[in-house]
Amino acid sequence: KNQVEQSPQSLIILEGKNCTLQCNYTVSPFSNLRWYKQDTGRGPVSLTIMTFSENTKSNGRYTATLDADTKQSSLHITASQLSDSASYICVVSDRGSTLGRLYFGRGTQLTVWP
Amino acid sequence: EADIYQTPRYLVIGTGKKITLECSQTMGHDKMYWYQQDPGMELHLIHYSYGVNSTEKGDLSSESTVSRIRTEHFPLTLESARPSHTSQYLCASSESNLGLAGPDTQYFGPGTRLTVL
Repeated sequence: KNQVEQSPQSLIILEGKNCTLQCNYTVSPFSNLRWYKQDTGRGPVSLTIMTFSENTKSNGRYTATLDADTKQSSLHITASQLSDSASYICVVSDRGSTLGRLYFGRGTQLTVWP
Repeated sequence: EADIYQTPRYLVIGTGKKITLECSQTMGHDKMYWYQQDPGMELHLIHYSYGVNSTEKGDLSSESTVSRIRTEHFPLTLESARPSHTSQYLCASSESNLGLAGPDTQYFGPGTRLTVL
């Protein structure tokens, strides 16, 4: 069964600290993996996308890594800010259809305290 | 910031009412999607469309229906709302990307939070 599991479920850190969120997946065949940020009451916004051949991708203070062999990805947030408080969702897509089916994780709820 | 809009943002209605959730995008995207998301849970695809006059059911069974008469507009309708329909509904769109192996980036609207009493 194709699945995407994220950990931790929730995380509280102090402003200025770094943190790492984890994503494990069993989706096969694999096409790409995205990290989305979803603010409370808003729709998700894409942060990074990585294909099979890419193992790291940065977007400002966000750095995503991908290990396609172990089917693991991480999202590292550097020097956290209050505005980083949000749910971070890992999304994996397969190549099984023209639409390219997406598998969503449940997200990690990050809270940054001042 | 994506140019995709949803109205209303919040809706509280009684059981049995007919409702239509509006979604429109100004990016000229062919593909559009509706997702349902409960608090702390993953997004579930309930409908999608490849283009005008194309509609397909998603992975999660839903009593809602959709239409795609215009490229920019993808409304979702519930003929008779029930408390079990209480949820957040997210609309998304993406460009056609026929040359690549995987799906293109989806741009999401702000969502409609529906509460059925």
